[in-house]
Amino acid sequence: DIQMTQSPSSLSASVGDRVTITCRASQSISSYLNWYQQKPGKAPKLLIYAASSLHSGVPSRFSGSGSGTDFTLTISSLQPEDFATYYCQQSHSTPYTFGQGTKLEIK
Amino acid sequence: QVQLLQSGAEVKKPGASVKVSCKASGYTFTSYAMHWVRQAPGQRLEWMGWIKTGDGKTKYSQKLQDRVTITRDTSANTAYMELRSLRSEDTAVYYCARDTPLWENWFDPWGQGTLVTVSS
Repeated sequence: DIQMTQSPSSLSASVGDRVTITCRASQSISSYLNWYQQKPGKAPKLLIYAASSLHSGVPSRFSGSGSGTDFTLTISSLQPEDFATYYCQQSHSTPYTFGQGTKLEIK
Repeated sequence: QVQLLQSGAEVKKPGASVKVSCKASGYTFTSYAMHWVRQAPGQRLEWMGWIKTGDGKTKYSQKLQDRVTITRDTSANTAYMELRSLRSEDTAVYYCARDTPLWENWFDPWGQGTLVTVSS
């Protein structure tokens, strides 16, 4: 199985900050990497697919980059509604595995 | 709009089975595969398997393949996930999630989740 590791596991930041979350795969997954946002008690929501494509309706302050084994999710200017947990997911091969999550908290 | 509506919370005893439903609306059900993902308390999301709703073909996580069955009823636009021989470690929120039309294996949208609690 492909192991997905995110860093950091938690992060404190302020409204207006620029934030970067990283995700590393245990082997090359090309650009088969997706990002989700999950708020407490809610289902995850797709933000970014294929490493860098912004899902419809997602604000442009979210962006993704990377290929191979190293990927990043960047939020250019944090808004109050962005405080949540973020997960990466590889769609290269089954089982489709997720990172452990990055909890973004208000400083 | 596209919506996935799951069945309600379940409480089961160890060794029992549970079957969770996921009713799709707002799109052509048989044009998109459906995945099942679970999340145990405080744990990362875990992919369980998927079904090609057009022909019923399935693929399961090797970890769960002996205990899980995913089916669909095209006349009801509904997918089902059955998990057998339940253990306390199966306590989790279970989600269905739609694939893309080209089977690209990213998930949107997701159902609202079904909490399954396994306890004696």
